[in-house]
Amino acid sequence: SQQGEEDPQALSIQEGENATMNCSYKTSINNLQWYRQNSGRGLVHLILIRSNEREKHSGRLRVTLDTSKKSSSLLITASRAADTASYFCASLYNFNKFYFGSGTKLNVKP
Amino acid sequence: NAGVTQTPKFRVLKTGQSMTLLCAQDMNHEYMYWYRQDPGMGLRLIHYSVGEGTTAKGEVPDGYNVSRLKKQNFLLGLESAAPSQTSVYFCASSYSKYSQLGDEQYFGPGTRLTVT
Repeated sequence: SQQGEEDPQALSIQEGENATMNCSYKTSINNLQWYRQNSGRGLVHLILIRSNEREKHSGRLRVTLDTSKKSSSLLITASRAADTASYFCASLYNFNKFYFGSGTKLNVKP
Repeated sequence: NAGVTQTPKFRVLKTGQSMTLLCAQDMNHEYMYWYRQDPGMGLRLIHYSVGEGTTAKGEVPDGYNVSRLKKQNFLLGLESAAPSQTSVYFCASSYSKYSQLGDEQYFGPGTRLTVT
């Protein structure tokens, strides 16, 4: 399977702390994207990093990409209770196929 | 601007019954996708389409068929439902007419299907 792996599977932190989740994939990609899913809802795009980029920022989000290790990480700084959700990485292959990781369930305690 | 909509939101089928899930997008996107999400497994790509009149198989296509007769609609069909097809189905679309690099996907709210 091309599906990536994410770790940890679950993460519980206090409000104000940083949350880091990691994603690995198996073959060369075009880009890698991170999505958030609130319980029972569809996925919402957070950030995209292209294969020739190493780091990207968007607000409280920081994404890194290491193509030599086939891995990416998502850092959420100064987390809030509203950040409680599942987070998925999606890697794009052949410019038209996405493969999603298994997700990290983040719980931010107020 | 409704984005991506899915019909129906919930459905219960008996084994062997058939049904069609409808996905519609009003963003003039070229690419459309159908995924299924099972507990603890993330999303798996069933079929996708890179334009009107074209479809292609994804990771788990068996037991499903699709059609994209109009650019804005992408239909997912189950000809003979099985309990293993109990899942939440998500449709997504993305725009890539002028760029070879895939853009972000916009997701519908999902269809919860139970096959008994």
